[in-house]
Amino acid sequence: GQNIDQPTEMTATEGAIVQINCTYQTSGFNGLFWYQQHAGEAPTFLSYNVLDGLEEKGRFSSFLSRSKGYSYLLLKELQMKDSASYLCAVRDHPAGNMLTFGGGTRLMVKP
Amino acid sequence: DAGVTQSPTHLIKTRGQQVTLRCSPKSGHDTVSWYQQALGQGPQFIFQYYEEEERQRGNFPDRFSGHQFPNYSSELNVNALLLGDSALYLCASSSSGNEKLFFGSGTQLSVL
Repeated sequence: GQNIDQPTEMTATEGAIVQINCTYQTSGFNGLFWYQQHAGEAPTFLSYNVLDGLEEKGRFSSFLSRSKGYSYLLLKELQMKDSASYLCAVRDHPAGNMLTFGGGTRLMVKP
Repeated sequence: DAGVTQSPTHLIKTRGQQVTLRCSPKSGHDTVSWYQQALGQGPQFIFQYYEEEERQRGNFPDRFSGHQFPNYSSELNVNALLLGDSALYLCASSSSGNEKLFFGSGTQLSVL
């Protein structure tokens, strides 16, 4: 079956760095996504990894290790507006765009 | 350029009723997926439509059905509503060959 695990909640301080981990066990693998979701709003795309390594995009970076079934999202220079849920999702089949999501990590940024 | 739009934003129904939710994809997108998101959980895939046909389906009963129209918009229908169907229903669109999904803000369905 499909299993995607990420911490339920995390707390960090404004200006700091936080790493949100995600481990997955899926029947196939065709890419891993990170989405940000503020309460009551639509999930918004942050990053996509299909090959091993680090993808950097401004304050946000995402890392993937396919052999370990592991990814992390790194947020630097945290801002209050980064308080949101962060969703890890795996696409397990090359055809179609079905994503299997983890339960999400609720990040609280404190002053 | 409008993004993914969903209607209505909120809906209250009672057990046993039927509901129809609507979605217009982002301009240029031809694929629509529907997800159910319970409070405090990640979205769960219901099904995906492409070229007016259901292409993939998640682990949801036949009470959940859908349709895609020639203009790529889509409907999600749920029959015989149960209390457990209360959730945020998200529509996501994409273009074939592009992995990036764009989500709408969702329809919050409450079943009483």
